Amino acid sequence: GENVEQHPSTLSVQEGDSAVIKCTYSDSASNYFPWYKQELGKGPQLIIDIRSNVGEKKDQRIAVTLNKTAKHFSLHITETQPEDSAVYFCAAATYGQNFVFGPGTRLSVLP
Amino acid sequence: DAGVIQSPRHEVTEMGQEVTLRCKPISGHNSLFWYRQTMMRGLELLIYFNNNVPIDDSGMPEDRFSAKMPNASFSTLKIQPSEPRDSAVYFCASKLQGAGNQPQHFGDGTRLSIL
Repeated sequence: GENVEQHPSTLSVQEGDSAVIKCTYSDSASNYFPWYKQELGKGPQLIIDIRSNVGEKKDQRIAVTLNKTAKHFSLHITETQPEDSAVYFCAAATYGQNFVFGPGTRLSVLP
Repeated sequence: DAGVIQSPRHEVTEMGQEVTLRCKPISGHNSLFWYRQTMMRGLELLIYFNNNVPIDDSGMPEDRFSAKMPNASFSTLKIQPSEPRDSAVYFCASKLQGAGNQPQHFGDGTRLSIL
């Protein structure tokens, strides 16, 4: 079955700097890759997703890149702000199958 | 639009008691998922339903756990009898299945503490 790894497990950046979180997956059939942000006391919330027919997607300060050959995808947050502090999860899925989540990255943005 | 609604938000009970967690999915969504989140094991899928039918319950840890979905707008996860190791945050999520790849939408969870 699918296995998703995520690095780093914790990340601290200065406000205004960029943050990058990387995930790798094992099943070459996976074709959907969502990213979730979980704030304290809340459920995971979708922030961006990418499908396997594109290599990059951007939404304001957030971007995701996908390398199907290497089977990895990354989340990029630019101009980080304190409210970006949270736990971020990547996931991989094949059409009709369940999501397999990575273990999460705790991002701290230091003022 | 209302998101996934879970109740209660917090539950504290003694070992051996029955616990029932409730979930109302987003209207129009036809897939529902129950997850458990702990520090040690992260997000674990317990069971999921398509069109109110349980599809895969291989993640349910023991026979003490059971889940039902009597209609498209309601699901329960029951633990009987509860044990301290069941303490965790339980999330419900829903999505629209059958329309290409779609994201799951999560509720804010039930924080369960078994004393």
